Amino acid sequence: DAGVIQSPRHEVTEMGQEVTLRCKPISGHDYLFWYRQTMMRGLELLIYFNNNVPIDDSGMPEDRFSAKMPNASFSTLKIQPSEPRDSAVYFCASSAPGTGFRGTGELFFGEGSRLTVL
Amino acid sequence: GIQVEQSPPDLILQEGANSTLRCNFSDSVNNLQWFHQNPWGQLINLFYIPSGTKQNGRLSATTVATERYSLLYISSSQTTDSGVYFCAVADDTGRRALTFGSGTRLQVQP
Repeated sequence: DAGVIQSPRHEVTEMGQEVTLRCKPISGHDYLFWYRQTMMRGLELLIYFNNNVPIDDSGMPEDRFSAKMPNASFSTLKIQPSEPRDSAVYFCASSAPGTGFRGTGELFFGEGSRLTVL
Repeated sequence: GIQVEQSPPDLILQEGANSTLRCNFSDSVNNLQWFHQNPWGQLINLFYIPSGTKQNGRLSATTVATERYSLLYISSSQTTDSGVYFCAVADDTGRRALTFGSGTRLQVQP
């Protein structure tokens, strides 16, 4: 089976431009997560979805960031307008339901999208 | 939220040496995973281990949930083991997202 697929792998843009990152989760997984990795803050959760519904977006930095999941096989993370401090690697991950009460599933990551905002 | 501490932050080994990486967490968990981030930035699952012990080749992991720690053992290290090792946990409140530690950066020298 294909893993989590992200695009683009690399994006270089100028401050003020709109950036859209895309993710296709593993088929059958009903949880989707967006993480951001920077040297200063490490890996931090931005938002996650269950069955296409946003569950927790408390990690989204500000209104310039938005995420959608229109169907079970596709999600986008949009930054508008972009700023140099948004430069980071953005990871998408997915998991299937865990087993047992409150069990959580194993998380699988895509290869990431490296964003550079000049 | 739950806190995750990893130690040591950095580790340099000679090829063939063994090592133990530690992960401490502040609350009860129902998910704990170890990941390896290779030099190309890929995050690779090593173990899904909320409790107990697992082994996979030269790697093994043990989680003692009651004492809130997990250990990752690397035996007979190879240069390809270099990278950053992350521990990540989800607390026992039903929240599904993993919280990551700051990682252990491992460099294996030939």
